[in-house]
Amino acid sequence: NAGVTQTPKFQVLKTGQSMTLQCAQDMNHEYMSWYRQDPGMGLRLIHYSVGAGITDQGEVPNGYNVSRSTTEDFPLRLLSAAPSQTSVYFCASTVADSYEQYFGPGTRLTVT
Amino acid sequence: GQQLNQSPQSMFIQEGEDVSMNCTSSSIFNTWLWYKQDPGEGPVLLIALYKAGELTSNGRLTAQFGITRKDSFLNISASIPSDVGIYFCAGSADYYKLSFGAGTTVTVRA
Repeated sequence: NAGVTQTPKFQVLKTGQSMTLQCAQDMNHEYMSWYRQDPGMGLRLIHYSVGAGITDQGEVPNGYNVSRSTTEDFPLRLLSAAPSQTSVYFCASTVADSYEQYFGPGTRLTVT
Repeated sequence: GQQLNQSPQSMFIQEGEDVSMNCTSSSIFNTWLWYKQDPGEGPVLLIALYKAGELTSNGRLTAQFGITRKDSFLNISASIPSDVGIYFCAGSADYYKLSFGAGTTVTVRA
């Protein structure tokens, strides 16, 4: 199993550009989540999904969209990038009814 | 989101030392989790705690779920150089929503 994979590893965007951060897992996990990590702060939940076709907002959802068309994939879309979205983004997954989330390696995004 | 206070913010370790860190919350959690993050990597789960008062070990790591369900601590015994990194506590009341502390950065004392 590859576990949770994320692409790209690094990305630089200009303000106003859009892009999609990819996340995939091959463990057949029902739950998937997106977090952002900023210096001096813990990870904060952006969006999550409890299964294909079901998504919901987390703590900091503004400026981000998600969809979950398959169990394996959970992409995060930035509609119009802003410097405040400069961060490291982590995708995580877990089986249903479990608290133990497993994280991908992260995408480091810089918005200039 | 929930606010978790993790302390200390940073610490220096000398090989062989025992070190500890803790996390407190204003809210009750059903689960406490401890993660370690190495530079450029995602957090890796170290220990999960499910019951108030529970004491769980994973090798040289020991963690406890506080009786009030609002706190947890992590001990590292006989530290070694590869223990350096950032340690995060996380609490959860829902399966898919984790609230994280700001992290404890562990570095080796020169």
